[in-house]
Amino acid sequence: AQRVTQPEKLLSVFKGAPVELKCNYSYSGSPELFWYVQYSRQRLQLLLRHISRESIKGFTADLNKGETSFHLKKPFAQEEDSAMYYCALSPLMDTGRRALTFGSGTRLQVQP
Amino acid sequence: GAGVSQSPSNKVTEKGKDVELRCDPISGHTALYWYRQSLGQGLEFLIYFQGNSAPDKSGLPSDRFSAERTGGSVSTLTIQRTQQEDSAVYLCASSPDRGISSYNSPLHFGNGTRLTVT
Repeated sequence: AQRVTQPEKLLSVFKGAPVELKCNYSYSGSPELFWYVQYSRQRLQLLLRHISRESIKGFTADLNKGETSFHLKKPFAQEEDSAMYYCALSPLMDTGRRALTFGSGTRLQVQP
Repeated sequence: GAGVSQSPSNKVTEKGKDVELRCDPISGHTALYWYRQSLGQGLEFLIYFQGNSAPDKSGLPSDRFSAERTGGSVSTLTIQRTQQEDSAVYLCASSPDRGISSYNSPLHFGNGTRLTVT
């Protein structure tokens, strides 16, 4: 079974502080991991994926297979980063449930 | 171009009534997903359609829930005899076929239908 855990419902930081949104997963095969973001009054959208190994809006995430984690990090938070963040998993190959399995989400509040 | 379109945007219904929620995916996207977003529950997978394959219905919470996708495009999610616990935002998403790559294409979400059962 696929499972994604985001232990924090709410993370509040001050502008300029580092941010780490935690994500742990459970899956017996090879996973593909994603972070999706939902800004206020906007639709849910892809932020980044581990396959691309890219930095988007200053955010990065590294897949740690040993710790089964895919934490989202940003060294200096901005107020416009305030949003709901969802970690998601899908099988890399055609096994298991192909639809994305999402975590319960973490709301990031960046205070001025 | 046009994104994923969902209708209605808001629906208030009385307990026990049936409701139908509609999703128009992005043209050419063969994969279509329904999720439910509840406060404090995150995104709950409901059902997944991929091309002409049998849908993955493993996420449907009860037999009151059903969905169909006609002509490989528009999808309708039907909830029969609605209950108050069905109140949530119902999200539809679509994505292109994986094609020859095993990597997953990103999901494109609609704005959702907010369902309130009174």
